[in-house]
Amino acid sequence: AQSVTQLDSQVPVFEEAPVELRCNYSSSVSVYLFWYVQYPNQGLQLLLKYLSGSTLVKGINGFEAEFNKSQTSFHLRKPSVHISDTAEYFCAVTLKAAGNKLTFGGGTRVLVKP
Amino acid sequence: GAVVSQHPSWVICKSGTSVKIECRSLDFQATTMFWYRQFPKQSLMLMATSNEGSKATYEQGVEKDKFLINHASLTLSTLTVTSAHPEDSSFYICSASSPGLTNEKLFFGSGTQLSVL
Repeated sequence: AQSVTQLDSQVPVFEEAPVELRCNYSSSVSVYLFWYVQYPNQGLQLLLKYLSGSTLVKGINGFEAEFNKSQTSFHLRKPSVHISDTAEYFCAVTLKAAGNKLTFGGGTRVLVKP
Repeated sequence: GAVVSQHPSWVICKSGTSVKIECRSLDFQATTMFWYRQFPKQSLMLMATSNEGSKATYEQGVEKDKFLINHASLTLSTLTVTSAHPEDSSFYICSASSPGLTNEKLFFGSGTQLSVL
């Protein structure tokens, strides 16, 4: 079975500073990779996804992530954060044959300070 | 884009009562819907997968008699928490997918915060 580890449970960062959220996964077969954002008391919104092709994926709101197969990582980055980026971020994987059955990491809470 | 509507957004109920949560796909036919549960400051845990017209598949440790899932149409799935207790208080989120959408496109509802007194 696959698993997802988000190494940081909480990341404080100053406004306009860069941020990186780490995500590692384990799976014996090929996977699709996702990052979702969750604002307080809301559902999940897809930030970006990796299916195949270029390992650098660009998403919404200025976020990007890089798939590293050898390190089984899919770290999320943003070069300059805003106060509005304060939220919970989840990394998730699904097996290519699993039909959208997602396995989520534990989440990383980003707190952007002015 | 595709939209999934989840209602209610929050509900408070007395212990022992049952609560129904609805998940609707508004502009596509969702052959498969997923129900997740999220405890405070924790990740989402898949509870069950429901396919239209068939019985739901529950994850290990999830009581199927307590969490009744019905997926009677291609646009509606319901989760009923029966005889709710305070430990059932949680944030419940549904998601929906369709073979017509690309495999990686999965749409989430806005969630339901359940508080059992």
